[in-house]
Amino acid sequence: GQQVMQIPQYQHVQEGEDFTTYCNSSTTLSNIQWYKQRPGGHPVFLIQLVKSGEVKKQKRLTFQFGEAKKNSSLHITATQTTDVGTYFCAGLGQGAQKLVFGQGTRLTINP
Amino acid sequence: SQTIHQWPATLVQPVGSPLSLECTVEGTSNPNLYWYRQAAGRGLQLLFYSVGIGQISSEVPQNLSASRPQDRQFILSSKKLLLSDSGFYLCAWGRDSEGEQFFGPGTRLTVL
Repeated sequence: GQQVMQIPQYQHVQEGEDFTTYCNSSTTLSNIQWYKQRPGGHPVFLIQLVKSGEVKKQKRLTFQFGEAKKNSSLHITATQTTDVGTYFCAGLGQGAQKLVFGQGTRLTINP
Repeated sequence: SQTIHQWPATLVQPVGSPLSLECTVEGTSNPNLYWYRQAAGRGLQLLFYSVGIGQISSEVPQNLSASRPQDRQFILSSKKLLLSDSGFYLCAWGRDSEGEQFFGPGTRLTVL
């Protein structure tokens, strides 16, 4: 079945440094979604990418969808303490009925 | 606006006891509904999903079951809990299979 791998599993940065998490699917995707889960909270939807090569920005966050629609990345510029949490990607396989979540990247920040 | 409710927020149960977790959605009709489990510090494991009343798809064979007795109600059950059932149980809804999912606040279950 479809698998979604996400790396790194953990990332610790100094406040102000950049952060990137990568997501790779074993199969071609219809779309990919990104979620953020704050410590002790529940996942919250950030964005959905649909088109090959698509790039979307939300303030300091940049999301990319690969040309082959099998990989994606989330890049945060100049991290702030409010960025702390676990970031999940979730891919919808072509013709599939359910999302497959990556294992998440837990981001911690040293102020 | 749409809201999703889960209860209880926390639960401590002995091994072998039954379980019933409830999830309800307001402000939408015919949603897709999902149950996920998250072990401590881990990712989201899809347990069940439903595209309509009485329609349940099981993703992982285990001692859990799910039911959807009403359009906006999704119930997760077990007849006998195992230690390995401990975790953070999240209910989510979506308008369809392709779009974003909205998660409830979750239930933290500890089986002792």
